[in-house]
Amino acid sequence: GEDVEQSLFLSVREGDSSVINCTYTDSSSTYLYWYKQEPGAGLQLLTYIFSNMDMKQDQRLTVLLNKKDKHLSLRIADTQTGDSAIYFCAESMADSNYQLIWGAGTKLIIKP
Amino acid sequence: EPEVTQTPSHQVTQMGQEVILRCVPISNHLYFYWYRQILGQKVEFLVSFYNNEISEKSEIFDDQFSVERPDGSNFTLKIRSTKLEDSAMYFCASSDFAQSGNSPLHFGNGTRLTVT
Repeated sequence: GEDVEQSLFLSVREGDSSVINCTYTDSSSTYLYWYKQEPGAGLQLLTYIFSNMDMKQDQRLTVLLNKKDKHLSLRIADTQTGDSAIYFCAESMADSNYQLIWGAGTKLIIKP
Repeated sequence: EPEVTQTPSHQVTQMGQEVILRCVPISNHLYFYWYRQILGQKVEFLVSFYNNEISEKSEIFDDQFSVERPDGSNFTLKIRSTKLEDSAMYFCASSDFAQSGNSPLHFGNGTRLTVT
């Protein structure tokens, strides 16, 4: 079945760029998402990309999509302490309008 | 910015008891969802709801589960006879269209259910 994989942890220095990677298996997936979860909080939509795009930029966030390799990345420029959170990659299922398939989440740790 | 609200934030119940988790979706949204996340595991889809009926449900959503939109604002998830393995964070979400990309899901902060 469909699967989404992410590294569990990423540690970066404050001010550096963070790059969180994700791989997925459903090549017919139409949309791919990044959600952020801060401690004790819900799932906050950060950004999403349509599968016919290869890049999307939104302020400090850059999403890159390599459809051939089924690889999605989220780059956070000038990482701040407020970016500490778990970042989830998710994909929409091609045969469903309702379901998202989620990665396990990458915990971003910011070092001073 | 409008948001999805869930109550309670934490619910503790004994095995075999019924629980109702409550959600108030964003007011102009038409599609409603429940997801859950067992500690240490991935977020899993449970059910989607539109026009007062279930649109899709996963294998997890068995006869012990039910959803309801009892009035114009609330969306509830009921677990009839809770089991230990129902302990999880339950997330409610809503969107204004079905296709997830055209209308991304907006999630609440979740209800942590602990079954003892």
